[in-house]
Amino acid sequence: KAGVTQTPRYLIKTRGQQVTLSCSPISGHRSVSWYQQTPGQGLQFLFEYFSETQRNKGNFPGRFSGRQFSNSRSEMNVSTLELGDSALYLCASNEGGRTNEQFFGPGTRLTVL
Amino acid sequence: QKEVEQNSGPLSVPEGAIASLNCTYSDRGSQSFFWYRQYSGKSPELIMFIYSNGDKEDGRFTAQLNKASQYVSLLIRDSQPSDSATYLCAVKSGTASKLTFGTGTRLQVTL
Repeated sequence: KAGVTQTPRYLIKTRGQQVTLSCSPISGHRSVSWYQQTPGQGLQFLFEYFSETQRNKGNFPGRFSGRQFSNSRSEMNVSTLELGDSALYLCASNEGGRTNEQFFGPGTRLTVL
Repeated sequence: QKEVEQNSGPLSVPEGAIASLNCTYSDRGSQSFFWYRQYSGKSPELIMFIYSNGDKEDGRFTAQLNKASQYVSLLIRDSQPSDSATYLCAVKSGTASKLTFGTGTRLQVTL
């Protein structure tokens, strides 16, 4: 099976812009979770989507949003970018049932100038 | 108090030795515990997970869980230079997929 894929791998944006990141989970996996990783805060949970519905949400401002499509692919959007949004954005794929293992994609490195 | 705590390291062990990585968590309702390995510039890679008190072995790796003490550890036997990485402890509560991560312990295996 192919692993989790994320596009793009690198992005450079300026403050105030918006950005959309994409994640394709492992085939057959219905749950996609998004995480932000920064040197100062480590890995922090953004939100989880399962069967096109947001199932859980972390403590991030409303500028961070996401969605999931019927093929389980997910996108996350960040509006009005701030310098502090510079981070590695990771998505994790999970079957969505009783199994617990989450498998991470390679991540998208976002730099906000 | 952080929800998941790890010593940031670096933990330095000689090649062939046992590396012991530790993690404590604050939520007594936590049900599943995960160890991820992250090489510099890469994404986390799942090593193993544990649900029940006691030990779980997978190759050179052993996870140990003590729910009463809210403590989980990872032992790496016969450490190799390729094991040099940051090891992340993650905790899951309930049925949702949210993982709460520690800040990671950097392991250095020296020749």
